[in-house]
Amino acid sequence: QQQVKQSPQSLIVQKGGISIINCAYENTAFDYFPWYQQFPGKGPALLIAIRPDVSEKKEGRFTISFNKSAKQFSLHIMDSQPGDSATYFCAAAPAGTASKLTFGTGTRLQVTL
Amino acid sequence: DAGVIQSPRHEVTEMGQEVTLRCKPISGHNSLFWYRQTMMRGLELLIYFNNNVPIDDSGMPEDRFSAKMPNASFSTLKIQPSEPRDSAVYFCASSFGTSGSEFFGPGTRLTVL
Repeated sequence: QQQVKQSPQSLIVQKGGISIINCAYENTAFDYFPWYQQFPGKGPALLIAIRPDVSEKKEGRFTISFNKSAKQFSLHIMDSQPGDSATYFCAAAPAGTASKLTFGTGTRLQVTL
Repeated sequence: DAGVIQSPRHEVTEMGQEVTLRCKPISGHNSLFWYRQTMMRGLELLIYFNNNVPIDDSGMPEDRFSAKMPNASFSTLKIQPSEPRDSAVYFCASSFGTSGSEFFGPGTRLTVL
């Protein structure tokens, strides 16, 4: 069974701090690694994604770090804000015309004032 | 861009009744996914279609669940008969080609009494 393991399950960070969420995968065929953000009562929304040809991708305050040899990738949220409080899911998919995402179990982030 | 459209947004029904959830994917997308989300089991992929053809239905819980995609702009997920343990939020998502990026709808919150 293909799996993506995500940690921590929950995270509390003070405003202005750095939030870090980690994921590890087993299937070496995975070549696409997105992160999704979900607010209560909403569907998951694509936040940022990376392919293994680069080790880091940054979009605003959000950065994905990717370690291909360790089969790990992480989401860093710099200068965390209360509005970032949400559940974050990592995911992975193999190459292919009809690929499907395998999701992690989610991390509930709370950013306090 | 209307995004993925799901209906109804909320459904309350009694055990044993038939429930039909509807989804309109983003125009031009050729893959469609049905997910179920609960606190206990997280985000589960039930079934996905590519070019209107079911590719993987291994996540469908049992024969009470069925899904159809009669054309590129419409899909249904049917539960017959429904049971209280089917209570969850059901999401539809769509994607295009090999992008891997799935776009989620707002979900249908199903309550089976």
